[in-house]
Amino acid sequence: EAQVTQNPRYLITVTGKKLTVTCSQNMNHEYMSWYRQDPGLGLRQIYYSMNVEVTDKGDVPEGYKVSRKEKRNFPLILESPSPNQTSLYFCASSLGTGIGEQYFGPGTRLTVT
Amino acid sequence: AQSVTQPDIHITVSEGASLELRCNYSYGATPYLFWYVQSPGQGLQLLLKYFSGDTLVQGIKGFEAEFKRSQSSFNLRKPSVHWSDAAEYFCAVGARRSGGYQKVTFGTGTKLQVIP
Repeated sequence: EAQVTQNPRYLITVTGKKLTVTCSQNMNHEYMSWYRQDPGLGLRQIYYSMNVEVTDKGDVPEGYKVSRKEKRNFPLILESPSPNQTSLYFCASSLGTGIGEQYFGPGTRLTVT
Repeated sequence: AQSVTQPDIHITVSEGASLELRCNYSYGATPYLFWYVQSPGQGLQLLLKYFSGDTLVQGIKGFEAEFKRSQSSFNLRKPSVHWSDAAEYFCAVGARRSGGYQKVTFGTGTKLQVIP
């Protein structure tokens, strides 16, 4: 089944404790992206990647890192999480350079205390 | 830069009634337009998209949307709403950037409640 998977689905952590949210897709998509969803703000793009070893900042990249060492994986790294990063995070992938439909993972709800 | 406005934060309709969700966009050229649906606890799923051609596009689950360039709108419609349509709906606009990739901007969403 074609899908985007994220782990963990739920995470509660403390300020400053490094964490990684994994994202994997099995559709051989070149384009992958991370979004955060906050009430009243919709989805905002954090980082995106057009292919292996090619990443760039989205609209709200501060406090986040990403890497794309393999085509299927696009982990999101919070090296020193803060409470304002409490949010619902979505990974998405798309064929080619991202023009067209994006396929979304189920989301990761992160709480930073 | 592109932007999307969904003026209705929350809409309540009766089951069987018609539905129209509003979306206005701002972009200098012809945009790529999308409607996604997010059911509770789920990720987003594409309902329909417009790239070019016929301005009335059909999507899944009986939804349709009409692109009106003169009004910068891409409203989503359904003639008869089912209880299972209760969800949050996001309009999005995509634009091709230098390097060929797509920059997608989402609206803030409209939450649909369906009452029996």
